[in-house]
Amino acid sequence: GENVEQHPSTLSVQEGDSAVIKCTYSDSASNYFPWYKQELGKRPQLIIDIRSNVGEKKDQRIAVTLNKTAKHFSLHITETQPEDSAVYFCAAVTGYALNFGKGTSLLVTP
Amino acid sequence: DVKVTQSSRYLVKRTGEKVFLECVQDMDHENMFWYRQDPGLGLRLIYFSYDVKMKEKGDIPEGYSVSREKKERFSLILESASTNQTSMYLCASSPGGSPNEKLFFGSGTQLSVL
Repeated sequence: GENVEQHPSTLSVQEGDSAVIKCTYSDSASNYFPWYKQELGKRPQLIIDIRSNVGEKKDQRIAVTLNKTAKHFSLHITETQPEDSAVYFCAAVTGYALNFGKGTSLLVTP
Repeated sequence: DVKVTQSSRYLVKRTGEKVFLECVQDMDHENMFWYRQDPGLGLRLIYFSYDVKMKEKGDIPEGYSVSREKKERFSLILESASTNQTSMYLCASSPGGSPNEKLFFGSGTQLSVL
């Protein structure tokens, strides 16, 4: 199936700094790219997504960019806050199944 | 608000037992999924279903089977539990269509096989 690689696996930033998480995918037919946030002990929840016909999407402090030619997409979080600390998963979708990256554990220190 | 309910939060079973994990969603979603989550390995798809009585293998179906007799319920079955199936199991549902968008996850079942 689709292979999604996610980097880095852990990321530590100071409050107020920016954080960037990058993912690459292998299947050129993938056409939808969501990002999920999972806080400790909780279920993953969708925070932002992008479709293949769009290059960038922004929602307040978070943004996602997509480069279809290079098959990579990134999550950008600006002005990080302690409540942004969580595990973030990217995914690439072809048809019905989401294929997730292995996750990035983000720690925002005050 | 979409509700995806998994029957057990914690479960302890013995090697060789047959184990049933139940998942129910209340939003008439077409698609339902079972993932397992292990540290460092992320979320791996076991099985999914896009319609009643339909099922498709995911990336790691070995040792598992599923049942979807009703639209709202998707069951994961471990035919003969083994210690390497100790994991967090997450059920999810989505409205339907392709590409599949916006999964709603249950709160998970932490299964320990002794």
